[in-house]
Amino acid sequence: EPEVTQTPSHQVTQMGQEVILRCVPISNHLYFYWYRQILGQKVEFLVSFYNNEISEKSEIFDDQFSVERPDGSNFTLKIRSTKLEDSAMYFCASSEASYRGTDTQYFGPGTRLTVL
Amino acid sequence: GQNIDQPTEMTATEGAIVQINCTYQTSGFNGLFWYQQHAGEAPTFLSYNVLDGLEEKGRFSSFLSRSKGYSYLLLKELQMKDSASYLCAVRGEDSNYQLIWGAGTKLIIKP
Repeated sequence: EPEVTQTPSHQVTQMGQEVILRCVPISNHLYFYWYRQILGQKVEFLVSFYNNEISEKSEIFDDQFSVERPDGSNFTLKIRSTKLEDSAMYFCASSEASYRGTDTQYFGPGTRLTVL
Repeated sequence: GQNIDQPTEMTATEGAIVQINCTYQTSGFNGLFWYQQHAGEAPTFLSYNVLDGLEEKGRFSSFLSRSKGYSYLLLKELQMKDSASYLCAVRGEDSNYQLIWGAGTKLIIKP
């Protein structure tokens, strides 16, 4: 069964550094998402991406964050000048092209980001 | 504001039935999802409701009442592997894609 993959599974970085989290969505999916989940807290939407541009973003997704689809398979989240509070699990998800329907979002296994 | 409420934790016995409730107040409504999340893992899709009524899928069923802003997830014949957090998520009317998530209900299954 097709699945979303993410690398790395765990990333440790120093405060102020930049990190790039990578995702490979399910191949026939056209909508991509990033979420984060701080330990013990709820899942929070960051951004959705379609047709090579951001379609929606939350207030969390400020200038510190950016997303890119550098090629036909990868979808990346870049976090600049990381802060301690950026430590969280970051999930990538993808869904098919159905508009406002049962476009179930399938989640990757996550990248645990630890900022020291 | 937008808010989704779920009980923080529930305990049930193996083989029994448990109902996990979710109430929501959102800017419009365009679908409610239930996801299962085992500790340290990604959420996995369980069910989707957009119309009132019950959706059954094997041991799991989900119910929606839009007028009450209420849903529940019903798990039957509980197994130890059902110990997980169950997340309720709503898509508001203003959003094409963004899901608003509840904090999740941690379900503990005892033998």
